This record gives sequence, structure tokens and C-alpha cells, in this order.
Amino acid sequence: QQQVKQSPQSLIVQKGGISIINCAYENTAFDYFPWYQQFPGKGPALLIAIRPDVSEKKEGRFTISFNKSAKQFSLHIMDSQPGDSATYFCAARDSARQLTFGSGTQLTVLP
Amino acid sequence: DAGVIQSPRHEVTEMGQEVTLRCKPISGHDYLFWYRQTMMRGLELLIYFNNNVPIDDSGMPEDRFSAKMPNASFSTLKIQPSEPRDSAVYFCASSLTLTRRVDTQYFGPGTRLTVL
Repeated sequence: QQQVKQSPQSLIVQKGGISIINCAYENTAFDYFPWYQQFPGKGPALLIAIRPDVSEKKEGRFTISFNKSAKQFSLHIMDSQPGDSATYFCAARDSARQLTFGSGTQLTVLP
Repeated sequence: DAGVIQSPRHEVTEMGQEVTLRCKPISGHDYLFWYRQTMMRGLELLIYFNNNVPIDDSGMPEDRFSAKMPNASFSTLKIQPSEPRDSAVYFCASSLTLTRRVDTQYFGPGTRLTVL
């Protein structure tokens, strides 16, 4: 019930391409959906987040698309750059403020 | 602000020894979270505090694990006795509750624990 399923596990994209990472959840009580970016040896850092009353949020090259009825949300990275190479985690927060994380996607952007 | 501070950054110990991990949250934040990250299990929430009070410790794997938050600026996660399967990166995160606003969890750099 608390799971957040993330795919793909790894993704290789050419520089300038679009990276798309998908997540799905079951618990309709989740009220906040952040994406975290983690570089090797560092802690996760918030990248972008969305609330379920919004279908899309864009910040620079990063966009979250949210489909409440399908209980799915995705991260799109436009014009992907080698510096975007990192592990990306989707997450969902419940009313108790606990975050449940997806399993992560290792993104590699080739120069 | 210096962000969430964790110490030590790396810890190598032998099985059976006591390990204490430390965390200083961002000043003014009222929530503090302890996570464990492994390749096999990903990021797992162990325990979290609100205003220094433990709210949910259901993620703590065993009685060998304990966490305290004696004041708003300091928390510890203790493992006694440690076992090789406890080897992982342990993260501390903090957040500030904002009325009618979403809050953000800020993560520390983590402590990489290796139990031999």
C-alpha cells in the first residue's frame, strides 16, 4: 500500500535528448510528490515537487507530469546534459509527513 | 545556513562494537528524519522526530537500533551491537513545517558505515 514503483532502473540518453522517468503509487492519501537528485557520495537533494491538485509543474529543464486518476507521475528532463547524470528518486509523502521513495533511476547522459 | 551536518562521514568498525552516528539539523527545522540507504533496499525511513519527540520508529530494523534527540539541534542514531548487515549509508534529513505549504526535506551528506 505504501509502495512507490519507479522505472526504468537505468537510463542512457544522448546529450540534448529528453530523459523520462516514471513512478506509480497506490496510496491515494499521498499529498506531495517530490523528485530527488543524488550524485555519488552525496545526499539526495530536492529537485522539483508537485501537489496532486496540479497536473504539471515546470522548473527550467525539469517538468513533472502528474496523472491523479492513473496514480502516476513522471519526471521529464529536457535538453539533457552530462551534468544531469545522477540517480533520481521519486517519492510520495503521506499525511504523517513520511516520505516513501521509489527504487531510483540511474541516469547517464552521454556527451 | 550550513545545511544538515552529519558526523562522522565514514565509520569502519568491527562486528559487535557500538556505533553512534550524529546529526545536526538545519536551525529552526522542527522535523528530523533518519534514513538508511543500501543497494538492495534503497532509501528506507528508520525513524523521525517532531519537536524532538519520536513520532514513528516503525522503520527501525531491530532493538539494536536506537535514536535520540535530546534537543532541537542534535540527534544520534546508535547501533549496539553492530553487525555486518548494518553496513549502509545513513542519512539524516530535516524539514520545517509551513502552514498550508509543502515542506522540503533537506538531507545531510550521509555517514557511510562499514561493519567488518
